[in-house]
Amino acid sequence: EADIYQTPRYLVIGTGKKITLECSQTMGHDKMYWYQQDPGMELHLIHYSYGVNSTEKGDLSSESTVSRIRTEHFPLTLESARPSHTSQYLCASSYAYNSPLHFGNGTRLTVT
Amino acid sequence: QKEVEQDPGPLSVPEGAIVSLNCTYSNSAFQYFMWYRQYSRKGPELLMYTYSSGNKEDGRFTAQVDKSSKYISLFIRDSQPSDSATYLCAMSASSGTYKYIFGTGTRLKVLA
Repeated sequence: EADIYQTPRYLVIGTGKKITLECSQTMGHDKMYWYQQDPGMELHLIHYSYGVNSTEKGDLSSESTVSRIRTEHFPLTLESARPSHTSQYLCASSYAYNSPLHFGNGTRLTVT
Repeated sequence: QKEVEQDPGPLSVPEGAIVSLNCTYSNSAFQYFMWYRQYSRKGPELLMYTYSSGNKEDGRFTAQVDKSSKYISLFIRDSQPSDSATYLCAMSASSGTYKYIFGTGTRLKVLA
């Protein structure tokens, strides 16, 4: 059973819309991450957070932003969606760096 | 050159076969190694987590790490149709880092 929850599971939206992908975890983990996953490609880190009010951009250039106001909640926002944002977005958490990542079931985003 | 190389498959085996999945890597600083299983339309699920070299067994699954060859393996004994999924390897370096490097995944199909 997943202890990390992502909503929505699927989203189809038009170009230029603002969207927020939700992620919540019940494990009390300090570290949270957003990854992008495309077919046949490795996971790419978009954003990570090491605690409340502490967020950093990952290695993959992204037009998204994140916030971490509560330990359990790590939403990702796209101010203006574009077709190039079409992908699967995975949220993950860990209790420490180097410890295993726990993933949600992802949000599959399609921008038309 | 990618830091982690993983054969994408697909790999098809008959039920009951022993499956060997492998990843090679180039960064000698990697010390933490993980294997994830990902079913279609789900997030990755942790199968095995190992530190440094050696073997680890959990039920039908065995993870091996050979740091001298920069090679990790996951063996599945008595494979079942329910093992049909994509298997991702992941690794991170020793000094508390947010970076986890993933392979592209190997698709496995176990035929009944």
